[in-house]
Amino acid sequence: RKEVEQDPGPFNVPEGATVAFNCTYSNSASQSFFWYRQDCRKEPKLLMSVYSSGNEDGRFTAQLNRASQYISLLIRDSKLSDSATYLCVVKGGGFKTIFGAGTRLFVKA
Amino acid sequence: DADVTQTPRNRITKTGKRIMLECSQTKGHDRMYWYRQDPGLGLRLIYYSFDVKDINKGEISDGYSVSRQAQAKFSLSLESAIPNQTALYFCATSDSGGGGPNNEQFFGPGTRLTVL
Repeated sequence: RKEVEQDPGPFNVPEGATVAFNCTYSNSASQSFFWYRQDCRKEPKLLMSVYSSGNEDGRFTAQLNRASQYISLLIRDSKLSDSATYLCVVKGGGFKTIFGAGTRLFVKA
Repeated sequence: DADVTQTPRNRITKTGKRIMLECSQTKGHDRMYWYRQDPGLGLRLIYYSFDVKDINKGEISDGYSVSRQAQAKFSLSLESAIPNQTALYFCATSDSGGGGPNNEQFFGPGTRLTVL
């Protein structure tokens, strides 16, 4: 079993749609959680951190469920520019940081 | 100018050749990392360095070596390249104090390496 698992997609949605991605992790001792965005042929960039109480940044909402060991990313009112691969990232105790393989999103006009 | 740069951006080489990928950063970060990215596997850590005198193996260090020449420079070498080392390689940096609120990593633009 992978330490961090994501549905690879692709998710194909129309502009304006709401789309949600989930990510599960296996290490219950994991401490920090993030979503990164990676555009085609580009480097990953931090989209947002995920806090225990859940957090929102504009159209993006991230949530953490420690009991079930998953995190989620909700994108409301999808834009064409949201098309990218979204990487779930989990950081354990000490240094170890694990990247998920990513979920691809295509937003169409 | 980009904060994290990588050279070369693309490289095609033959099996058995020695290859060096270079990474430089102007962010003033102490921590630097080398990852490879393969389709369906995500980013996997090859080596990381917390300061100039500190080098640590990641999960897939076999076949690779690194050198931290200065705080700003971290190079990755493939002593004898093989085809399954064909991948996209990323260098990244982070602040030793944990970076932003949660230890954000900043990535270079990547090096696409093909080993024939």
